[in-house]
Amino acid sequence: DIQMTQSPSTLSASVGDRVTITCRASQSFSTWLAWYQQKPGKAPNLLIYKASSLESGVPSRFSGSGSGTEFTLTISSLQPDDFATYFCQQYNSFPFTFGQGTKLEIK
Amino acid sequence: EVQLVESGGGLVQPGGSLRLSCAASGFTFNTYDMGWVRRAPGKGLEWVSNIIGSGGSTYYADSVKGRFTISRDNSKDTLYLQMNSLRAEDTAVYYCAKVQRWPGAFHIWGQGTMVTVSS
Repeated sequence: DIQMTQSPSTLSASVGDRVTITCRASQSFSTWLAWYQQKPGKAPNLLIYKASSLESGVPSRFSGSGSGTEFTLTISSLQPDDFATYFCQQYNSFPFTFGQGTKLEIK
Repeated sequence: EVQLVESGGGLVQPGGSLRLSCAASGFTFNTYDMGWVRRAPGKGLEWVSNIIGSGGSTYYADSVKGRFTISRDNSKDTLYLQMNSLRAEDTAVYYCAKVQRWPGAFHIWGQGTMVTVSS
């Protein structure tokens, strides 16, 4: 199984900041990695797929990069609506696995 | 509009059973893989199961293998999750999700249905 280790688990930042979240995989794989945003009481929302492809309707301040064992999600300029929890997920092979999540809080 | 609506959650005793349903609309259901993902209180997301469009292949997390069964009725555009031998650690919000064209991420999600396993 591919284990996904996400960091940090909590991130405090201010509106306008640039933030980066990292996911490291226990074994190398291509680009079958997704990033999701989840707000309390809501379903997850797909932001990035195939490591760096922006899902339709997602603001361009979100971007993804990486391959192999290290992947990153970057938010270029935080907006108030971005404070939420973020998860990475590998869908390279079954069982699919998620990172533990990063809670992005207002500083 | 593409939509997924789950139902069937509730309170069940340990060892009991429950069947979740997910009604799909707005897309050609039988041409897409589907999955279930859950989130336990205070925990992160956990993938539970996937099924291919035809229903011919299924995949499970080790934590539910042998207890849960994913299935679909393509004539009714509905996805199911039969959950048997439920445990307290199965308590979670269960989401059904549509997979992008294979290999794909979960790009459309239902609103979720809460399952509580408690005596």
